[in-house]
Amino acid sequence: DTAVSQTPKYLVTQMGNDKSIKCEQNLGHDTMYWYKQDSKKFLKIMFSYNNKELIINETVPNRFSPKSPDKAHLNLHINSLELGDSAVYFCASSPEGRRGEQFFGPGTRLTVL
Amino acid sequence: SQQGEEDPQALSIQEGENATMNCSYKTSINNLQWYRQNSGRGLVHLILIRSNEREKHSGRLRVTLDTSKKSSSLLITASRAADTASYFCATYQGGSEKLVFGKGTKLTVNP
Repeated sequence: DTAVSQTPKYLVTQMGNDKSIKCEQNLGHDTMYWYKQDSKKFLKIMFSYNNKELIINETVPNRFSPKSPDKAHLNLHINSLELGDSAVYFCASSPEGRRGEQFFGPGTRLTVL
Repeated sequence: SQQGEEDPQALSIQEGENATMNCSYKTSINNLQWYRQNSGRGLVHLILIRSNEREKHSGRLRVTLDTSKKSSSLLITASRAADTASYFCATYQGGSEKLVFGKGTKLTVNP
């Protein structure tokens, strides 16, 4: 059983398009995250939601908008895609308040042409 | 801002040898974690060491933490080709829920 799943795994699109990445976790965790990993493998947090409430919002262009329909899902919508958005995006989850380990999804490789 | 810095950036060893990776961080922490990332995959949590612990073991992994030097090391003993991956340390920055990762060490274990 997949604990944290993301779709799609690969996403190739043209500059200027709008796209979404979906994430679901079946671990019963209260907190979910989006990370961006660049070509140098540097991993940086973008957003975090706790029980559908936004708790971390890093300096990310407002073209990126997270949406949490329920605590098991955290989707990432990106408007007006730019070349620099090309990266691997990871979703993760953790139990609330533990500041413990995080469980990562397999990643979505976004390529903007 | 980046919290952890691993070194070396890359490490290549023979199967059976031990691999040691180091991590330094800047602010106070309540725990430090190590993650592994196989090529093309997501990160997998390996081990968490709390700030009041000095050493922790898990299978072939040994982690040490020196809070006075703000540093940690990950030792993988008797390495295997399957240990080939990137290894990241991560800490929660200050009092926040934000987990900050280092740049990682790319380990290659040659059969």
